[in-house]
Amino acid sequence: SYVLTQAPPVSVAPGQTARITCGGNNIGSESVHWYQQRPGQAPVLVMYDDGDRPSGIPERFSGSKSGNTATLTISRVEPGDEADYYCQVWDVLSDHKIFGGGTKLSVL
Amino acid sequence: QVQLQESGPGLVKPSETLSLTCSVSGGSISSSYWSWIRQPAGKGLEWIGRIYSTGNTNYNSSLKSRVNMSLDTSKNQFSLSLSSVTAADTAVYYCARESGYCSRTSCYPRGYLDVWGKGTTVTVSS
Repeated sequence: SYVLTQAPPVSVAPGQTARITCGGNNIGSESVHWYQQRPGQAPVLVMYDDGDRPSGIPERFSGSKSGNTATLTISRVEPGDEADYYCQVWDVLSDHKIFGGGTKLSVL
Repeated sequence: QVQLQESGPGLVKPSETLSLTCSVSGGSISSSYWSWIRQPAGKGLEWIGRIYSTGNTNYNSSLKSRVNMSLDTSKNQFSLSLSSVTAADTAVYYCARESGYCSRTSCYPRGYLDVWGKGTTVTVSS
């Protein structure tokens, strides 16, 4: 089955830029979606279809893909951005939703 | 604005069946796709399966033999049953809506989950 690999924890200072990566075989042909999960809360969609932001998500959040890696970029990081971030694709072959293992973003 | 709320027993005995319901408010359960996702404490998200408003289902192959989903359009609810549970099924269970688009005759999923419930904790223990 399709596997998404997410990078180890990321730590950044407020105001800096955080980049969270998600790797998968031939991910370039998949639509990648991203969720933010703050401690004790449900996940929230922050990016869909690689680089589209749902309404209410700040422009500081952006998404991109290159080769076998998708990246969620958070500019001008704020303390409230501290959370776990999960990438997700819809594996059409199996008709399964696949989540990455998550990346913890810490704001120093 | 669509809101989801999970409900069900917080404690289930091993080998019994876990049953949860998701109540949909602020919108109709019709013409949409609805998913269940779970998350063991300290771990990542696992997609359990999905049901369409027609009743068509699609389950994670790793759980398929134990999972059943249904919906009740009159109550605007959908449900999850997971049989023969073990301690490994202890988790926070979330219901979620999958974004979709509809043509004149059919609706199609877009692959991502745009509305989530707050989650409910289920512990499997005797």
